[in-house]
Amino acid sequence: KAGVTQTPRYLIKTRGQQVTLSCSPISGHRSVSWYQQTPGQGLQFLFEYFSETQRNKGNFPGRFSGRQFSNSRSEMNVSTLELGDSALYLCASSFLTGGTDTQYFGPGTRLTVL
Amino acid sequence: AQSVTQLGSHVSVSEGALVLLRCNYSSSVPPYLFWYVQYPNQGLQLLLKYTTGATLVKGINGFEAEFKKSETSFHLTKPSAHMSDAAEYFCAVSAPGSARQLTFGSGTQLTVLP
Repeated sequence: KAGVTQTPRYLIKTRGQQVTLSCSPISGHRSVSWYQQTPGQGLQFLFEYFSETQRNKGNFPGRFSGRQFSNSRSEMNVSTLELGDSALYLCASSFLTGGTDTQYFGPGTRLTVL
Repeated sequence: AQSVTQLGSHVSVSEGALVLLRCNYSSSVPPYLFWYVQYPNQGLQLLLKYTTGATLVKGINGFEAEFKKSETSFHLTKPSAHMSDAAEYFCAVSAPGSARQLTFGSGTQLTVLP
């Protein structure tokens, strides 16, 4: 079974631009979560989507948004990029059988903001 | 609210020696606890998790962890380190029913010396 895939793997943008990252979950997984990883702040939860609805959201500004499609694929968007948005963005999927779901992570998208 | 503290951002052990990575958590409700490993330029891989039941949890690659409620700890151990264990390790906590919203520790970089 194929794992979680994220595209693109690497991205370079300039301040003020916007960016869209894509995540394809493991086949059959219905929940997708996004995390930001930076050297300074570590791993932080961004949001979770299930059935095309945002279920939980971390403490990030409104410039960070996401969506989920009917096939469970998810995208996250960051508008008006800032230098501090440079990070590894990780997507994780889970089957959603209940509270003990295991999350499976993709390889991440490395975003560099110049 | 939950939080995780990983003691020691860098740990070095000799090949064949015991690996001990420390994790303490804070949670207002009975926690779910996880250990993930991250190799360079890759996403996170689940090593093991504790939800309920037996407090000694065995994971992949010979790792295990013990949930100690009285000490609010979930330390990761492996009896004999292998060169391939060199990676960054993250402890994470979630509330029951919210296993898809993880709060991570700051990580411990494990170096294995020949």
